[in-house]
Amino acid sequence: DIQMTQSPSSMSVSLGDRVTITCRASQDIGNYLSWYQQKPEKSPKLMIYGATNLEDGVPSRFSGSRSGSDYSLTINSLESEDTGIYFCLQHKQYPYTFGAGTKLELK
Amino acid sequence: EVQLVESGGGLVQPGRSLKLSCLASGFTFSNYGMNWIRQAPGKGLEWVASISSSSSYIYYADTVKGRFTISRDNAKNTLYLQMTSLRSEDTALYYCARRVNYGYIRFDYWGQGVMVTVSS
Repeated sequence: DIQMTQSPSSMSVSLGDRVTITCRASQDIGNYLSWYQQKPEKSPKLMIYGATNLEDGVPSRFSGSRSGSDYSLTINSLESEDTGIYFCLQHKQYPYTFGAGTKLELK
Repeated sequence: EVQLVESGGGLVQPGRSLKLSCLASGFTFSNYGMNWIRQAPGKGLEWVASISSSSSYIYYADTVKGRFTISRDNAKNTLYLQMTSLRSEDTALYYCARRVNYGYIRFDYWGQGVMVTVSS
């Protein structure tokens, strides 16, 4: 199975910060990676797909990138509504596997 | 408006069975693959099972293989998850999610989730 190692597990951030979350894949997954945001008591929301493509309606301060087997979600100029837990998901091969999640909290 | 509404959850004893449903609306259900994903209390997300649009391709996580069965009825716009031999570790919020297959695969719509609690 492909392991997705996500870091950090949590971050305490300030409004306006630039935030980067990373997932490292244990095998080649190409660009078969998506990012999801989950708010408390809510369903996950798709943010980025194909490693770098912004889902419709997601603010442009969010972006995705790839460097080898490292995949990053970056939030430029963090806003209060961006707090929550972020998960990566690889769908290159079954079983699909999620990263463990990164919890973003305001300082 | 795309909507996915899960139902069928509840409290069940270990070893018993339960069947979840996910009613889809607002899109052509038969054109999309569907998935079940679960989240144990306070934990991360775990992909459970996937079914293609015509039910030709079905996949399961090793943790549920042989115990859970994913199926769909395109005439009823409904996805199912039959769960048997339930264990305490199956306790979780179960989400159904639509899978976009064109371009890059992604889960673009999720239901609100249905809770399954396995306990004696």
